[in-house]
Amino acid sequence: GAVVSQHPSRVICKSGTSVKIECRSLDFQATTMFWYRQFPKQSLMLMATSNEGSKATYEQGVEKDKFLINHASLTLSTLTVTSAHPEDSSFYICSARDPGRGPNGETQYFGPGTRLLVL
Amino acid sequence: AQSVTQPDIHITVSEGASLELRCNYSYGATPYLFWYVQSPGQGLQLLLKYFSGDTLVQGIKGFEAEFKRSQSSFNLRKPSVHWSDAAEYFCAVGPSNTGNQFYFGTGTSLTVIP
Repeated sequence: GAVVSQHPSRVICKSGTSVKIECRSLDFQATTMFWYRQFPKQSLMLMATSNEGSKATYEQGVEKDKFLINHASLTLSTLTVTSAHPEDSSFYICSARDPGRGPNGETQYFGPGTRLLVL
Repeated sequence: AQSVTQPDIHITVSEGASLELRCNYSYGATPYLFWYVQSPGQGLQLLLKYFSGDTLVQGIKGFEAEFKRSQSSFNLRKPSVHWSDAAEYFCAVGPSNTGNQFYFGTGTSLTVIP
């Protein structure tokens, strides 16, 4: 199956610093990638949709200036948590839509996630 | 409104026993349905998906799911559970060609006892 990677898998940072998380589709080109946030024992919450070559679309309640998304190529999207605070600590998961799978490319393949801890 | 409900927060089964995880959905358009599994600290792995056609879908690791339009359900089943199946299971619906939104249920945590 399609493979999506994330880097880093785990990061600890000080409050006030910025952290960049990378999401890569390894064996397919993804014009659309998604960023999710998952709190402990809860489901995934869609944060934003990342479109290659254009601005990301943020879900209601997600601060676009805090969570910067860049989708510079068909295989890479980055999420930068700016001026991180302890409440930003969470599990961040990206996914990529493989346009070649499914009638309308509906299948999303998920990365392994990045655990962010802000001290 | 679109939504996915997984009524069972936590299920415990004995190894070798059968398993059924429930999923009900509410979706305005023709639903595309998915089951994902998440091991602790890991990302999500696709178990199976339904787009159209045969309503009984076979997936990986011996899982299957049945789409029942009349009941708005897409329950996941496995005839004989293995200890390695202990994980969190998420049902999801969408997206369709009308939008990107992918709705997840709240998940069912599966514990397998020897």
